[in-house]
Amino acid sequence: QKEVEQNSGPLSVPEGAIASLNCTYSDRVSQSFFWYRQYSGKSPELIMSIYSNGDKEDGRFTAQLNKASQYVSLLIRDSQPSDSATYLCAVNPSLGGSARQLTFGSGTQLTVLP
Amino acid sequence: DVKVTQSSRYLVKRTGEKVFLECVQDMDHENMFWYRQDPGLGLRLIYFSYDVKMKEKGDIPEGYSVSREKKERFSLILESASTNQTSMYLCASRTYGSGDEQYFGPGTRLTVT
Repeated sequence: QKEVEQNSGPLSVPEGAIASLNCTYSDRVSQSFFWYRQYSGKSPELIMSIYSNGDKEDGRFTAQLNKASQYVSLLIRDSQPSDSATYLCAVNPSLGGSARQLTFGSGTQLTVLP
Repeated sequence: DVKVTQSSRYLVKRTGEKVFLECVQDMDHENMFWYRQDPGLGLRLIYFSYDVKMKEKGDIPEGYSVSREKKERFSLILESASTNQTSMYLCASRTYGSGDEQYFGPGTRLTVT
């Protein structure tokens, strides 16, 4: 069973719309959650981290965490064509495993249509 | 500004060559990682290190070795490169505890012919 699940997409939204990316995880005691953006041929870039239940906003990005339901989401408001990329969800698993390495989802490909 | 650098962006090697990929971080992070990324297979962890001279195997260590002689530097070694090791190689570093964000280097696109 995959530990971090994301819809692979592709997800297409029109320019100016809200893009919603979702991620579920299986380890109930996970503590740290991250969203990375990866453009084609480039390395992943950290865009959001979230540690507590609720919302965290940074510019046009909002990360939402619900530990009871074991999901974390990323909302991108006023989507721009430059947001077109693959978005990776990453989770810091419990200390029962190796707490030093993150578990990554397979990524959701987002396309913002002009 | 956080910084993880990798020695090469693009590398072409011949089958059987010994290949060194180097990674340097300036954030005083304890943990360093080597991943490879292939289309459709996602990020796969090769090796990681949680301290100087310490290493642990990841999911796909076969055909690779690593070296960490200094805290800021983590090297990936392909003892005898093979064509199936053609891939994007990504180095990353991360600290412990609160604010344990992980940062990636720019990647090395390795082609083995």
